[in-house]
Amino acid sequence: KAGVTQTPRYLIKTRGQQVTLSCSPISGHRSVSWYQQTPGQGLQFLFEYFSETQRNKGNFPGRFSGRQFSNSRSEMNVSTLELGDSALYLCASSLARGVTDTQYFGPGTRLTVL
Amino acid sequence: SQQGEEDPQALSIQEGENATMNCSYKTSINNLQWYRQNSGRGLVHLILIRSNEREKHSGRLRVTLDTSKKSSSLLITASRAADTASYFCATGKDTSGTYKYIFGTGTRLKVLA
Repeated sequence: KAGVTQTPRYLIKTRGQQVTLSCSPISGHRSVSWYQQTPGQGLQFLFEYFSETQRNKGNFPGRFSGRQFSNSRSEMNVSTLELGDSALYLCASSLARGVTDTQYFGPGTRLTVL
Repeated sequence: SQQGEEDPQALSIQEGENATMNCSYKTSINNLQWYRQNSGRGLVHLILIRSNEREKHSGRLRVTLDTSKKSSSLLITASRAADTASYFCATGKDTSGTYKYIFGTGTRLKVLA
């Protein structure tokens, strides 16, 4: 089975712009979660989608949003980019919801905000 | 503060030696997972241990969980240069149907050839 894929892998934007990141989960996986990783804050949970509905949300401002499509693919959008949004954004998929399910991570999208 | 905090923050050993990393957490959990991350890339799942389990093995990896002490350890035996990476623990908690994984700060392991 193909793993979790994320596009693009690298992105450079300027402050004030918006960006959309894409995640394709492992075939058959219905839950997709997004994480932000920075050197200072580590790995922080953004949100989780399951069956096209946001089921869980971390402590991030409303500029961070996402959605999930009927084929379980997910997109994450960040509007009005700030310098502090520079990070590695990781997507993870799992077969179903629940903490007993293993999360499989994609390679990440490296976002640089200038 | 982080739910999971790894100790030590960094570890440097010789190839062939064993490496032990610890993870402490604050609240009750449903499971705990260990992940490996190579330099700025995605996370690779290593082991999941449930709260009712005490020990799990996978190849050269051994994970223990002590829920009374709220801690877990990851042991890598006979380390190799390819084991050089950052290792994270992630605690999974189910709170009334809301599932959350919280990652620790990570241990940077360097295995010298």
